[in-house]
Amino acid sequence: GESVGLHLPTLSVQEGDNSIINCAYSNSASDYFIWYKQESGKGPQFIIDIRSNMDKRQGQRVTVLLNKTVKHLSLQIAATQPGDSAVYFCAENIMTDKLIFGTGTRLQVFP
Amino acid sequence: KAGVTQTPRYLIKTRGQQVTLSCSPISGHRSVSWYQQTPGQGLQFLFEYFSETQRNKGNFPGRFSGRQFSNSRSEMNVSTLELGDSALYLCASSLAPGRGTDTQYFGPGTRLTVL
Repeated sequence: GESVGLHLPTLSVQEGDNSIINCAYSNSASDYFIWYKQESGKGPQFIIDIRSNMDKRQGQRVTVLLNKTVKHLSLQIAATQPGDSAVYFCAENIMTDKLIFGTGTRLQVFP
Repeated sequence: KAGVTQTPRYLIKTRGQQVTLSCSPISGHRSVSWYQQTPGQGLQFLFEYFSETQRNKGNFPGRFSGRQFSNSRSEMNVSTLELGDSALYLCASSLAPGRGTDTQYFGPGTRLTVL
């Protein structure tokens, strides 16, 4: 099956700080991108999405930035809270409903 | 509105057996996709169904199959189980397939353990 990496990077941040999680996507033809949050024992939860005709989109406490030139996606979480601790995945979509997921980044929030 | 539901939540099988997992999409959603999640390989796409037809398929052996019913509920089946099939199997639903721009919402998954 398709796979993206074997290692799970970890980002540790202090409560109240801003977090930035990065993702490199694989296909320049991808036109839709999603960030998911997955807590232990649960399925991925939708956070925010962005279409390829945009370079920035904001939600509640979260911002997604898309740089198509270098095929890079980032998720910014403002005022990180303990409840934000989870694994975060980016996913790309290439004109189908077949999501290709990144490796994931574990976010740890400490007091 | 209820989310995506998957049954059973946990399953233990032995090598060589077969297993069937069930997924009920969000009400009104007609597209269902299945993913396998393992620590080593991450989240990998298995297949997607819409209107009882398989539209997309990932790179998995023929032991993995699925189907969708007229009410959009979906099942996936794994025959002749192998140890490496131990994983979290996730189902996601979306309104309808298009250019892939409908958000997919995930269920809690079925944790399959093969002994």
